[in-house]
Amino acid sequence: SQQGEEDPQALSIQEGENATMNCSYKTSINNLQWYRQNSGRGLVHLILIRSNEREKHSGRLRVTLDTSKKSSSLLITASRAADTASYFCATTAQGAQKLVFGQGTRLTINP
Amino acid sequence: GAVVSQHPSRVICKSGTSVKIECRSLDFQATTMFWYRQFPKQSLMLMATSNEGSKATYEQGVEKDKFLINHASLTLSTLTVTSAHPEDSSFYICSARDWAGQGTYEQYFGPGTRLTVT
Repeated sequence: SQQGEEDPQALSIQEGENATMNCSYKTSINNLQWYRQNSGRGLVHLILIRSNEREKHSGRLRVTLDTSKKSSSLLITASRAADTASYFCATTAQGAQKLVFGQGTRLTINP
Repeated sequence: GAVVSQHPSRVICKSGTSVKIECRSLDFQATTMFWYRQFPKQSLMLMATSNEGSKATYEQGVEKDKFLINHASLTLSTLTVTSAHPEDSSFYICSARDWAGQGTYEQYFGPGTRLTVT
């Protein structure tokens, strides 16, 4: 079953602006991962943040994790048209193998 | 990063036939692989967890006799959709997990297989 909720479901911004997507989950987790999916393609792994971490950076990406609120956010700075895609968060519960995906955010960057 | 391939990328088959989809980890060994199904504009739904050398673990509501999974080696898992029907048309994606250290694994996804049953 899906345990993640993502907010917003869709986001449309101008190129150069920052995009923020949020993810909430329900159970205790071992880690949380963010993925990007271009239309009709597979998923690209963006970043993994462990439950004992609060923030991670990778290039123009910044991910935060608040385990007390069971939420995470993905910030894409200085967005580009090529960032247009769907973004999913996925969690691995403590002691579990599988990933549980959120519903995803469809991001559109307008040139 | 680790690379996972899937074959074929697209397949069209007639109703009642069976289709096999392959998932390979190209530069790492994966004792565990996963199979997902994705409907248009929706998220990924886990179908089953494939463990090398043992039976797959299916999620609730997934028919194991219809979706046969074989994980015969550390780099290959296959999903066979048996007696396919139009409602089986979907995007099927596999993933393989790789050790990321500190008690965590990263999952790497294949490019997906678009199955159309006519």
